Amino acid sequence: DTGVSQDPRHKITKRGQNVTFRCDPISEHNRLYWYRQTLGQGPEFLTYFQNEAQLEKSRLLSDRFSAERPKGSFSTLEIQRTEQGDSAMYLCASSSTPGSQETQYFGPGTRLLVL
Amino acid sequence: AQSVTQLDSQVPVFEEAPVELRCNYSSSVSVYLFWYVQYPNQGLQLLLKYLSGSTLVKGINGFEAEFNKSQTSFHLRKPSVHISDTAEYFCAVSPSGGYQKVTFGTGTKLQVIP
Repeated sequence: DTGVSQDPRHKITKRGQNVTFRCDPISEHNRLYWYRQTLGQGPEFLTYFQNEAQLEKSRLLSDRFSAERPKGSFSTLEIQRTEQGDSAMYLCASSSTPGSQETQYFGPGTRLLVL
Repeated sequence: AQSVTQLDSQVPVFEEAPVELRCNYSSSVSVYLFWYVQYPNQGLQLLLKYLSGSTLVKGINGFEAEFNKSQTSFHLRKPSVHISDTAEYFCAVSPSGGYQKVTFGTGTKLQVIP
């Protein structure tokens, strides 16, 4: 069990550029979540996948954001035309179903700075 | 809808002293409760969770929490803290059953003073 991994760990970009982040969940986990965490705040839910299906999207996920999980394994989160307000830590988590013992395991995050 | 309130944004405590980090939640349905710890520039690590059963939950690193349904609280405690406990702690809640959309509090920074 290698845990949840995210790449890159840090990204600095200029306003208006597109960025893409990758998340590799724990191998047997079929649920995958993206969160955004800004300074001084707890993580905020962005979106959730069960296998390859995106089942819920937060209103925080504007049209500039898109997430995919094409084969039900790794996931990508793309931000188009980045804005300074997008600067945050983007966290990925995964969990397995079914049952009440479900726990989300978090990756180390990708810290984005938009200049 | 659900929400989590962590009233203390920062808690300084001397090494080897006890600590309590407070968490209150609000929800119209039954819930699961979690405490996560985040070290600088790292992701979140699960400390403990309450799903059902005994209201006193023991977690890793000597932490424990007690679920109090009448007070809608889930305070985190440790009898004797160590320097290595310096980190930010997040309380979180999710509806029980189904998929878990977790709602986090704003976090409490625990600073252990040598």
